[in-house]
Amino acid sequence: AQKVTQAQTEISVVEKEDVTLDCVYETRDTTYYLFWYKQPPSGELVFLIRRNSFDEQNEISGRYSWNFQKSTSSFNFTITASQVVDSAVYFCALSARTSYDKVIFGPGTSLSVIP
Amino acid sequence: SAVISQKPSRDICQRGTSLTIQCQVDSQVTMMFWYRQQPGQSLTLIATANQGSEATYESGFVIDKFPISRPNLTFSTLTVSNMSPEDSSIYLCSVALDTLNTEAFFGQGTRLTVV
Repeated sequence: AQKVTQAQTEISVVEKEDVTLDCVYETRDTTYYLFWYKQPPSGELVFLIRRNSFDEQNEISGRYSWNFQKSTSSFNFTITASQVVDSAVYFCALSARTSYDKVIFGPGTSLSVIP
Repeated sequence: SAVISQKPSRDICQRGTSLTIQCQVDSQVTMMFWYRQQPGQSLTLIATANQGSEATYESGFVIDKFPISRPNLTFSTLTVSNMSPEDSSIYLCSVALDTLNTEAFFGQGTRLTVV
């Protein structure tokens, strides 16, 4: 069975603080993909990153960085110098990708960045 | 990439009625997925729609309640039948472009309110 856990339901930070969103996943598949999506108050889903199970390199994109650790089944997301526009719900997701497989979403973490 | 158009973007419906949501993709895709996002919740997969065959429904979702059509490789519809207030949710269409599914693309969603 596949499962994604985001233990932090809500996080509040003051602008310019760094914040890390945790994601722990479960899967029996050896090949899988992990995703992060952002859902701002407007409701649309914004794709942030995809990582496959064979690539454990950390990734940095501007103020965003991701730490993938297979040993602990975690795929954490850090926002550096947070901004008010980062306020949104963030979803971690998992897909087996054996063949057009579905994406399983975590419960989401609501991030509020306070000016 | 893929551009997905969903119609309607939002609707308010009377209980007992049905609503059909359309999903149009700007490229041919094999698999299309329908998700539901209840208020304050994560995304839950309703069904997977493959062109030329019946949709595959996830546990807790049935064809009588959520009939799906997939007449071609660029279009799908989801009908929410005999609606009740509990069906008030955002319904999202998603596609996978290839077997590697480098990114799961999502439509902007249909915000449904049942009164």
